[in-house]
This record gives sequence, structure tokens and C-alpha cells, in this order.
Amino acid sequence: DVKVTQSSRYLVKRTGEKVFLECVQDMDHENMFWYRQDPGLGLRLIYFSYDVKMKEKGDIPEGYSVSREKKERFSLILESASTNQTSMYLCASSPPQGRSPLHFGNGTRLTVT
Amino acid sequence: KQEVTQIPAALSVPEGENLVLNCSFTDSAIYNLQWFRQDPGKGLTSLLLIQSSQREQTSGRLNASLDKSSGRSTLYIAASQPGDSATYLCAVRRTTDSWGKLQFGAGTQVVVTP
Repeated sequence: DVKVTQSSRYLVKRTGEKVFLECVQDMDHENMFWYRQDPGLGLRLIYFSYDVKMKEKGDIPEGYSVSREKKERFSLILESASTNQTSMYLCASSPPQGRSPLHFGNGTRLTVT
Repeated sequence: KQEVTQIPAALSVPEGENLVLNCSFTDSAIYNLQWFRQDPGKGLTSLLLIQSSQREQTSGRLNASLDKSSGRSTLYIAASQPGDSATYLCAVRRTTDSWGKLQFGAGTQVVVTP
């Protein structure tokens, strides 16, 4: 079974802090994704990566950056956390191209105070 | 812009009844459609993936159909159980989008009562 592991289930940070959300997958998938999920807004794609050091912006990249130095690890970075970035963050991975299902981690609930 | 709609937003059924969940999308030029399950406070679990060339997919008690021309997919869950209580989401991948982008519906929250 594919396993996508997000390093923290819950995180509380202060406004202005730099925040790192880590995601690791164990299936050698080329593609990795970061989504955020908010009540009433559903899931929205922040960034995705189709190979090491390759990335593409999703629908809401503002205020975020990503890093993919190794195939199995995809990090989401909040350069200066703000209260409107309080959300559930979900990481996912999949094999190459778009014909296979996405596999999600359990999510990180981030609260910015 | 692709709009993905799931109606109803919430559904409650007694154990043993069949569940019928609907997903509609405005742009029929899709690559594939996926159904997911989400338990409270957790991530999404992939249930079924239907490619645009397929009409349906089955896995155990789950069956998903796809009608591209009418912009609809239906997820059937036979003989529902309390453990089926969760939120079910559908997501489509359009042929005109970057392949990494899925458009999600808001989900249908299902409660199966014993």
C-alpha cells in the first residue's frame, strides 16, 4: 500500500513565523501535490511537482513556496505565516502522467495565531 | 472554468439501504474522474478512478458510473454499513488543464444509522 506521511498532525505557529510542512511518500512516485482544505471552499491546489526540483503553481500559490530536493520528499513553506493560512493542509502523490489515482496523507491542521 | 457539484450536501440512511451519490461537472472534456472518501479530520482515501473511455468501475460494494456527455458520475454503495459514514468527494481532471490539476466537488456527507 502507498504510504504518504505528513510529519505533523497539528501545528500552532505565530504570525510572521516561517513554517515548514513536510511530506514523504514511500512508493517512488514522480508526482507530489500540496492542497489546502477549508470549509465552504473545498480542496484547492497550492503547488505540485512532477520531478525532483521541478514544480508548478496550482490555483492558490501566493504566500507559499515548495521544495523538492529528493524524490520522496515534498516540502511546503510558508515564508511568513498569516492568520488566513490557518487551514488543513493535505499532501498527495501519484505515479507519472494523470492516469492514476492520488494517494493522500492524513493532513496537517495548521493554526496561525 | 470547470464546476464540480455534488448534491445532496448531506445524506442520512438506515443501515442496509443502498447509497446513491451524485457528481456533476460542466465541462465534458475530462481525462478521468475519481471518487474519494474522507473521514473527519483525516486525509482522502481513493475509492475508484474512471478513465474518460470507461463507463463504470467496480470495487466490492462500490460501483461508479460515468456519463461524459451529460456531465455526470454516480457512486453506488450497496448494502450500506455504519462504517460507510464519511464524506465522499469526486474530482475531475480536465484534458485542457495541466495534468496535475484536479477540480474537486464540495462533497456529500453520509451518515449510516444502525
